[in-house]
Amino acid sequence: GDSVTQMEGPVTLSEEAFLTINCTYTATGYPSLFWYVQYPGEGLQLLLKATKADDKGSNKGFEATYRKETTSFHLEKGSVQVSDSAVYFCALRDTGNQFYFGTGTSLTVIP
Amino acid sequence: NAGVTQTPKFQVLKTGQSMTLQCAQDMNHEYMSWYRQDPGMGLRLIHYSVGAGITDQGEVPNGYNVSRSTTEDFPLRLLSAAPSQTSVYFCASSQGQRSNQPQHFGDGTRLSIL
Repeated sequence: GDSVTQMEGPVTLSEEAFLTINCTYTATGYPSLFWYVQYPGEGLQLLLKATKADDKGSNKGFEATYRKETTSFHLEKGSVQVSDSAVYFCALRDTGNQFYFGTGTSLTVIP
Repeated sequence: NAGVTQTPKFQVLKTGQSMTLQCAQDMNHEYMSWYRQDPGMGLRLIHYSVGAGITDQGEVPNGYNVSRSTTEDFPLRLLSAAPSQTSVYFCASSQGQRSNQPQHFGDGTRLSIL
């Protein structure tokens, strides 16, 4: 079946460090891919998306590129801020309209 | 923009009690779903619906019932609460016809079963 695997956390970075959170997926066909962010005590918010191979989603300085050849959708940010501390979820929507989520990666950014 | 609204935000129940978690969306989305979120386990799908009058089971449906009488509402019922159902519950909705659309989430209901 379809699935999403993302890197285990927690991740702790200093402010202005480079961030990468790895995400790989298993799916038939061409799923749509998403990154969500969850701040403490809140629901999941869509951070960015990509709907076809080689698409790059971007928002608030975060980027992720849909890599069909490596079945990956890694999240990156060049310079993290304390306000980026949250849990990040990678997700896909398959061609059957089913959603699959990774287990989440907790990020803490220290001043 | 209200989006997806969940009520209540917090609830404490005793074992054996029943209750309904409410979920409403104002985006005319066909697809709605319920998840539970437990520490270290990510999101697990409880039930989902692809349209009014249609529901189906997800990964962890036992102990929960749902119905979808309108497009807007998708309540989740706990029939006889158990401590194992202590969790944070999220409702989500999305457009059903186009497969590239994301889900929109409510703010969650934090449920404790004593």
